[in-house]
Amino acid sequence: GAVVSQHPSWVICKSGTSVKIECRSLDFQATTMFWYRQFPKQSLMLMATSNEGSKATYEQGVEKDKFLINHASLTLSTLTVTSAHPEDSSFYICSARDHTGGLGAQYFGPGTRLLVL
Amino acid sequence: GDSVTQMEGPVTLSEEAFLTINCTYTATGYPSLFWYVQYPGEGLQLLLKATKADDKGSNKGFEATYRKETTSFHLEKGSVQVSDSAVYFCALSENTGNQFYFGTGTSLTVIP
Repeated sequence: GAVVSQHPSWVICKSGTSVKIECRSLDFQATTMFWYRQFPKQSLMLMATSNEGSKATYEQGVEKDKFLINHASLTLSTLTVTSAHPEDSSFYICSARDHTGGLGAQYFGPGTRLLVL
Repeated sequence: GDSVTQMEGPVTLSEEAFLTINCTYTATGYPSLFWYVQYPGEGLQLLLKATKADDKGSNKGFEATYRKETTSFHLEKGSVQVSDSAVYFCALSENTGNQFYFGTGTSLTVIP
């Protein structure tokens, strides 16, 4: 089946630094990828939709200057958390839609756990 | 707008018990319906899906039937195992778009 990877899986950083998270579709091309944030024991919150070759579409309430998204190729999207603060600590999950695989399913990466000290 | 309402947990069952996790949805069109599973510390994995009314999705002993008349997609398994302990998310996607709507998740713990 379709595989999506994320790197790193765990990151601890100091407040004020920036952190980049990569999301890759390993065996399919994804013109669209999605970034979610998940708080403990809660559901996924869609942050933004990442479109290859164009600007990302952010959900209401998500700061686009804070969470920079770049979708430079059909298999790679990156999320950069700029000037991270402790409240940005969370589990970030990306997903990719395989448009050739029929209707529906998104394939999720394993997630990146970010801890900002 | 579209939404998914999922049975609240946590749910604790003994091994080999019958499992039902309720899921109902609201949609403006004709969505596809999904169940995803999240094991501790991991991302979401697609468990099963159904793309039209009366379709039954099944995988690993889990089943769910797309019921348009009751706008439901309840997850069932006849005999749960300890390894089924995870959080289960119901989700829908309108077939014309990319937006996914997730339920709040139901935590399942199966005890030996």
